Amino acid sequence: QVQLGQPGADIKKPGSSVKVSCKASGGTFSTFALSWLRQAPGQGLEWLGGIIPFYNTPSYAQKVQGRLTITADELTSTAYMELSSLRSDDTAVYYCASNSGTYRGPVSYSTFDYWGQGTLVTVSS
Amino acid sequence: QSALTQPASVSGSPGQSITISCTGTSSDVGRYEFVSWYQQQPGKAPQLMIYEVSDRPSGVSSRFSGSKSGNTASLTISGLQAEDEADYYCASYSSTPTLVVFGGGTKVTVL
Repeated sequence: QVQLGQPGADIKKPGSSVKVSCKASGGTFSTFALSWLRQAPGQGLEWLGGIIPFYNTPSYAQKVQGRLTITADELTSTAYMELSSLRSDDTAVYYCASNSGTYRGPVSYSTFDYWGQGTLVTVSS
Repeated sequence: QSALTQPASVSGSPGQSITISCTGTSSDVGRYEFVSWYQQQPGKAPQLMIYEVSDRPSGVSSRFSGSKSGNTASLTISGLQAEDEADYYCASYSSTPTLVVFGGGTKVTVL
């Protein structure tokens, strides 16, 4: 059974950066297709990007390309997402989610069988 | 505006069957067998209900089934129960630079 642990909340000022962690337990972290998604208040889900820790080559959604950095630390089984140049419309719950099945290439990013509890990031002056 | 189109709401009476559609394009739903469906209860993280169009993870009720025809995928909930009231999202692998696209979500109401 895989568990993904995230911090509860963070408040940031416009123009600053936020870094959110996602610590995995159970499963084989290095071969997870680990993604970051967000959900703005009252809105739907949006995939931001992902990483396979073993290959350490992240993929990013076009919308956040250039502002988002995803990293993974195999020693601590922890993934991170850092979003820079924050704006008010970045206010959302940020989820990490994994596909713990056998890695089959980028298509593995399209299934999320385990989810963190979400981190509410509020961007406000 | 979401890449995949879902109805905003669907409702049904207990015991009935309902179907939620998810319409994409030949770059996502129509091209790949990597469509998944998620149930989200208020204030909770989403839960995987269907993956790869029609496969069900262990622990998910057999009342949930998925299918696809052309550019449209569908989630059917049979024998509707009060506990099925939630938001449902579809997702698909995509050949666009953004590898995964979502629908805008469908609110299911049990009358």
